[in-house]
Amino acid sequence: DSGVTQTPKHLITATGQRVTLRCSPRSGDLSVYWYQQSLDQGLQFLIQYYNGEERAKGNILERFSAQQFPDLHSELNLSSLELGDSALYFCASSVDFLTGELFFGEGSRLTVL
Amino acid sequence: AQSVTQLGSHVSVSEGALVLLRCNYSSSVPPYLFWYVQYPNQGLQLLLKYTSAATLVKGINGFEAEFKKSETSFHLTKPSAHMSDAAEYFCAVSPLVSQGNLIFGKGTKLSVKP
Repeated sequence: DSGVTQTPKHLITATGQRVTLRCSPRSGDLSVYWYQQSLDQGLQFLIQYYNGEERAKGNILERFSAQQFPDLHSELNLSSLELGDSALYFCASSVDFLTGELFFGEGSRLTVL
Repeated sequence: AQSVTQLGSHVSVSEGALVLLRCNYSSSVPPYLFWYVQYPNQGLQLLLKYTSAATLVKGINGFEAEFKKSETSFHLTKPSAHMSDAAEYFCAVSPLVSQGNLIFGKGTKLSVKP
């Protein structure tokens, strides 16, 4: 158990819909990262937050957004969903943003029909 | 831009045999390098990391990796494979020393035959 909690574990929805994925980092970790894992693209970095502020941005679509709240949990919002958004979405956390030692949750598997 | 290439999407070894998973990186600055393992239906777990200290890095479960700057490689090895090593392994590089987000390779799925 990494200490990172993601909900929901599985989500099935239709094209055009909007979903929210939630992540609770390890106790004491200030940085949260979101990654998308798909068969064709592999693990793609989406976005990073540190203590409530956006720290780095990767290949995140404009239809996607995220935020980190004062209690340090984070949410990833995916809107106008397309079939290609079906993937496993991982949240990871770390105590800071220097070491690169990330602790991953078990992921949220999104299926868009 | 930094990147990571993992040679071989699938590697199969017999139990007790040497495990060698290859990773080459591209980086304009001294990198931080990592190996993560993903067991089925689980998140990624850190195996080991290189942060410019010793070039031979020992990790969990008997794995180790050697940083070779001249070859821009960071291959993962284990002398004797165990059935429980069957998983997917990811090499990753940190793009900037001041940022923790990682750039991952495509992964190598390791199968271990009895």
